[in-house]
Amino acid sequence: DTGVSQDPRHKITKRGQNVTFRCDPISEHNRLYWYRQTLGQGPEFLTYFQNEAQLEKSRLLSDRFSAERPKGSFSTLEIQRTEQGDSAMYLCASSLALGGNQPQHFGDGTRLSIL
Amino acid sequence: GQNIDQPTEMTATEGAIVQINCTYQTSGFNGLFWYQQHAGEAPTFLSYNVLDGLEEKGRFSSFLSRSKGYSYLLLKELQMKDSASYLCAVTPQGNYQLIWGAGTKLIIKP
Repeated sequence: DTGVSQDPRHKITKRGQNVTFRCDPISEHNRLYWYRQTLGQGPEFLTYFQNEAQLEKSRLLSDRFSAERPKGSFSTLEIQRTEQGDSAMYLCASSLALGGNQPQHFGDGTRLSIL
Repeated sequence: GQNIDQPTEMTATEGAIVQINCTYQTSGFNGLFWYQQHAGEAPTFLSYNVLDGLEEKGRFSSFLSRSKGYSYLLLKELQMKDSASYLCAVTPQGNYQLIWGAGTKLIIKP
């Protein structure tokens, strides 16, 4: 068990650019979640997958955000035409799909800074 | 609506005991989690409660009262390394996403 891995750890880009983040979940976990967290706040849910199916997406998520999990293993989160307000820590988590009591295990996150 | 409340910040002394409270109002309830998050790091799982009562895990215990929409995390024999944010999160019924509180920043003083 190597834990949840996220890449890159840090991303600095200019406003208007597109960025893509990658998450590799714990290998036997079939649920994968994306969250966004800003300083002094708890994580904010963005979307989640069970295997390759995207089952839920936050209503707060604009059309500039898209996530995929093509083979039910790793996932990517893309933000198009980045804005200042997108600056945050983007966290990925994974869990087993055995009911609601399975803890989510988090990666170290990707910190996005928009100049 | 969904709402989870925790105190913003607490201070305690090394070796003492501290209780961090969490109240929630959610559309259904399927369990409550406590996570620890050190500055700049990912949240790490501490405990899970779905039935009323106390769950004990070493120096950490977590309590739940579903009728009151209330939980607390109890930390005993505090150590300097316990300085972190403690996040309360609820799974609403029929939904596997977590609704998170803003976290309680715990400061441990010698």
